[in-house]
Amino acid sequence: QVQLQESGPGLVKPSETLSLTCAVSGYSISSGYYWGWIRQPPGKGLEWIGSIYHSGSTYYNPSLKSRVTISVDTSKNQFSLKLSSVTAADTAVYYCARQPTVVTPYDYWGQGTLVTVSS
Amino acid sequence: SYELTQPLSVSVALGQTARITCGGNNIGSKNVHWYQQKPGQAPVLVIYRDSNRPSGIPERFSGSNSGNTATLTISRAQAGDEADYYCQVWDSSTAVVFGGGTKLTVL
Repeated sequence: QVQLQESGPGLVKPSETLSLTCAVSGYSISSGYYWGWIRQPPGKGLEWIGSIYHSGSTYYNPSLKSRVTISVDTSKNQFSLKLSSVTAADTAVYYCARQPTVVTPYDYWGQGTLVTVSS
Repeated sequence: SYELTQPLSVSVALGQTARITCGGNNIGSKNVHWYQQKPGQAPVLVIYRDSNRPSGIPERFSGSNSGNTATLTISRAQAGDEADYYCQVWDSSTAVVFGGGTKLTVL
C-alpha cells in the first residue's frame, strides 16, 4: 500500500522560507512517476504548486515558479518543497501526491499539513 | 494559461441525479479527472480519464467529456455524497490545472 506523509513546521514567519518534506512508503521513488505538491488555503480550492519526476526534472505553477523549489532524495525515498518569501496568502493545507504520468490523475495523496504564515 | 470553470454549488434531492460541470476551452481533447473532497480530508479520485472509475468507487459515479464541457454525474445521490468536487486536467502550457471546485448539497 502506497502511503505519503507530509512533515515540516506548522508556523512560518512572513518573508521566510516554507520547507516541507513528503516521505513515501510502499513504493520506491526511483522506480518512476511524478511527485507533486498541491495546496489549499482555508475555505478555498485546490492549487497545484509543482511536480518532480523521479529523475529530478521539475515543472512548476507559473504563478509560483519564482518562489518554488522541489527536490527529490531517492536514498531517503522522499521529496521536498521550498517556498520562499512567504506571506499570509501562503497559509494553506499542503498536500503531497503521486502522479504516474502527466496526463493521469494524482492517485495517492498524503493527509495534508497545515502551514500558517504569521509573525 | 488554461482555466477550468465549475459552478460554486449544486444541489440535488436525495435519490436523484446530480450533474457537476467543468468548462474549459476544447476540454474534450483533454483527459479530465474528478476528485471528491470531504471536510478535513484529502481529495479522493472518483473518475479518471473522463469516464473511468477507480476500484472501490460506486457505479453511481460516471463522467463524460465533449466539446467545451466535462460532466461528473452522480446517480441516486446519497447523503454521503455531500462533498466538494474538483475537476483536473493537464495542459501543455499550464501543466496541472484544477477547477475551482463545486460544493454538492444533498437535500
